[in-house]
Amino acid sequence: DAGVIQSPRHEVTEMGQEVTLRCKPISGHDYLFWYRQTMMRGLELLIYFNNNVPIDDSGMPEDRFSAKMPNASFSTLKIQPSEPRDSAVYFCASSLKREGYEQYFGPGTRLTVT
Amino acid sequence: AQSVAQPEDQVNVAEGNPLTVKCTYSVSGNPYLFWYVQYPNRGLQFLLKYITGDNLVKGSYGFEAEFNKSQTSFHLKKPSALVSDSALYFCAVRVPSALSGGYQKVTFGTGTKLQVIP
Repeated sequence: DAGVIQSPRHEVTEMGQEVTLRCKPISGHDYLFWYRQTMMRGLELLIYFNNNVPIDDSGMPEDRFSAKMPNASFSTLKIQPSEPRDSAVYFCASSLKREGYEQYFGPGTRLTVT
Repeated sequence: AQSVAQPEDQVNVAEGNPLTVKCTYSVSGNPYLFWYVQYPNRGLQFLLKYITGDNLVKGSYGFEAEFNKSQTSFHLKKPSALVSDSALYFCAVRVPSALSGGYQKVTFGTGTKLQVIP
């Protein structure tokens, strides 16, 4: 298996622009998580899905952030409009309940908003 | 509330010496506990987990962790540290289903940077 795939790996954009991060979970996994990691705040859970349905989005910082999972093999995290304080590494992770709940992380997208 | 604490921001150990990275938890009911490692510019990587059974759990790369219910701890250990073990280590606890609406949710600690000195 190729593992969790994220694209792009790096994104540099200007303040006010729309940013879309993409994630392909491991085939057959039924949970998908979006995290953000910064030096100041550490690892934060933004939102997670079960069977493509958003379960808990309480970690989404503002209405500027939105996430979708149109099917079992694809999810997006969108920031519109982006701000410099959104600069961080964004991780996608997936897991399968049957396997004891451990999560498998993608390589992350490093977002820089100037 | 469910939480994990990693009391040390950084742990330094000489190569070849045993290492311990500490983790304590607070959770209602039986905990599901995890350790993850993050190498520079990489995503988190699962190391090992405790769900039930033997209190000593063995994982990848020679790491092990001991579950101690009375002390609510789940410390990560390795008998002999390698320079390549230098990384950021995260402890995590699964939120009990009854408190997460039947869904799985994991709370991560703040991470401990392990530096193995040659």
